[in-house]
Amino acid sequence: NAGVTQTPKFRILKIGQSMTLQCTQDMNHNYMYWYRQDPGMGLKLIYYSVGAGITDKGEVPNGYNVSRSTTEDFPLRLELAAPSQTSVYFCASTGRGGYNEQFFGPGTRLTVL
Amino acid sequence: QQQVKQSPQSLIVQKGGISIINCAYENTAFDYFPWYQQFPGKGPALLIAIRPDVSEKKEGRFTISFNKSAKQFSLHIMDSQPGDSATYFCAASFYGQNFVFGPGTRLSVLP
Repeated sequence: NAGVTQTPKFRILKIGQSMTLQCTQDMNHNYMYWYRQDPGMGLKLIYYSVGAGITDKGEVPNGYNVSRSTTEDFPLRLELAAPSQTSVYFCASTGRGGYNEQFFGPGTRLTVL
Repeated sequence: QQQVKQSPQSLIVQKGGISIINCAYENTAFDYFPWYQQFPGKGPALLIAIRPDVSEKKEGRFTISFNKSAKQFSLHIMDSQPGDSATYFCAASFYGQNFVFGPGTRLSVLP
């Protein structure tokens, strides 16, 4: 199993550009999450999904959108990138049933200039 | 009420010493408390976790102590090694979902 994979690893965007961060898991997990990690701030939940076709906002959803058309994929869309979105983005997944380990991807480092 | 506080922000320990990181939460509905370890350039990885029906859980050199009445929990790393140098995050969740993370503690273990 590859676990949780994310692409790209690094990206530089100009203000106002858009992009999609890709996330795929091969563990048949129902729950998937997007976090952003800023220095000294821990991880903040952006969006999460409890299964295909179901998504919900987390703590910091503004400026982002998600979709979940399959169990495996959970892309994060940034529209009209802003410098405040400069961060490291992590995708994660857990299985159904509660109290399960949350597996993280390797992260995408995004810089908006 | 969703916040998880964590201290210290950074910690320097000599090899063989004990590293202690503390966390506090406010929402008594939280029922799952994991600790994550993160190395530079990597995603966090689960280290150890506890549920509030026990006061302590030990896995090798890593121990979680949990005080439900005080709404606090801590990570103890015994016989700390240079390879333990990493950032540690505590977290809290409902039924193992929708995690709230602390801000992290950067641990440096000196050889």
